[in-house]
Amino acid sequence: GAVVSQHPSWVICKSGTSVKIECRSLDFQATTMFWYRQFPKQSLMLMATSNEGSKATYEQGVEKDKFLINHASLTLSTLTVTSAHPEDSSFYICTCTGTNTGELFFGEGSRLTVL
Amino acid sequence: AQSVTQLGSHVSVSEGALVLLRCNYSSSVPPYLFWYVQYPNQGLQLLLKYTTGATLVKGINGFEAEFKKSETSFHLTKPSAHMSDAAEYFCAVSDTPRNAGGTSYGKLTFGQGTILTVHP
Repeated sequence: GAVVSQHPSWVICKSGTSVKIECRSLDFQATTMFWYRQFPKQSLMLMATSNEGSKATYEQGVEKDKFLINHASLTLSTLTVTSAHPEDSSFYICTCTGTNTGELFFGEGSRLTVL
Repeated sequence: AQSVTQLGSHVSVSEGALVLLRCNYSSSVPPYLFWYVQYPNQGLQLLLKYTTGATLVKGINGFEAEFKKSETSFHLTKPSAHMSDAAEYFCAVSDTPRNAGGTSYGKLTFGQGTILTVHP
């Protein structure tokens, strides 16, 4: 079964609203979580890296005030897309790694459509 | 910095034919290399990975890949394609070395992806 759960799988929202996506590690402690974005017919691009209890590190070109990442516990990280616009429509995927697992696990992804 | 190039955005094969998906990488440190498969509207599933040791890596669903340092390649192969193999495949390289607690893979740099079509 899945070891990383993302919720919601699909979300449709109006332009200007904020959307929160959750990423949970189900049976291990995820010390580090990565958030990726995948536009249609494109590859995955890393948005940010978050470590539990500290501020996320954002990749160049990713607005930290627009994409708020919180990694408050070892099993949960959230990505909030604030004031979403149609160009934010994308597939958002989280991955988790922990020192005990030595592996990377992917969430199932969250499809965001902004109208 | 790492980079990954997948040669061919689309590959089409007949059922039962050899599958070959090409991947070349560049890395300033010994790389960790991965192949993932993605079905429509789903996340990524790990097919196989290379970290250290044997350069021929076997993965799930009959796939394998060979790490060739001299060619900076990590091509994915499968002897006989099935219809169920139709999907998009991503090659990726990790740029994070081992952490203090053991082996831990960090952020990945992905190739552009190759869509595999299998026809009867």
